Amino acid sequence: TQLLEQSPQFLSIQEGENLTVYCNSSSVFSSLQWYRQEPGEGPVLLVTVVTGGEVKKLKRLTFQFGDARKDSSLHITAAQPGDTGLYLCAGRDFGNEKLTFGTGTRLTIIP
Amino acid sequence: DVKVTQSSRYLVKRTGEKVFLECVQDMDHENMFWYRQDPGLGLRLIYFSYDVKMKEKGDIPEGYSVSREKKERFSLILESASTNQTSMYLCASSSGPRTQYFGPGTRLLVL
Repeated sequence: TQLLEQSPQFLSIQEGENLTVYCNSSSVFSSLQWYRQEPGEGPVLLVTVVTGGEVKKLKRLTFQFGDARKDSSLHITAAQPGDTGLYLCAGRDFGNEKLTFGTGTRLTIIP
Repeated sequence: DVKVTQSSRYLVKRTGEKVFLECVQDMDHENMFWYRQDPGLGLRLIYFSYDVKMKEKGDIPEGYSVSREKKERFSLILESASTNQTSMYLCASSSGPRTQYFGPGTRLLVL
């Protein structure tokens, strides 16, 4: 079973600060997704990165896929309370629909 | 809007009971998935289905079974509930290798 380790597991910072969340694996994935989950809801897709080295921006969120397609990072600039939630990375196997989810990072932004 | 609904938001069952969790999607998606979510472990795949009457084991199928008699409905069955099956259960659907859309989850407590 492939494993995706996320770090940190918990992060609590003040509004306006920057942060980076990491997602690491020893396995290679065809693509990698990032989801955000809010209390009482299921995860919602934020972005999919497909090419090694790819960088995608979603407003204040920047996602990067590692060159070797084994790791990814999520950087948030000037964090807002609305960014609070559980962030999950998920790697897609080659040739099938299965996703392997990371262990999750619970982010709290303090106003 | 894609909608994935789950039959219950909260369930409390006794050890040994048979438990049915129902999931319905309204997007005519071929693929449906059942995950369980536990703190620090992320989402782990229990079973998935690519088509009606078709099922495949995920990473942790022991103690569970599934049924997919209609395209829009995917049921997860706990034949004899045990306390270690206390968890959050999430259903998802997708069309091809694209976004998985999640339901709101069922929080199951087995006493």
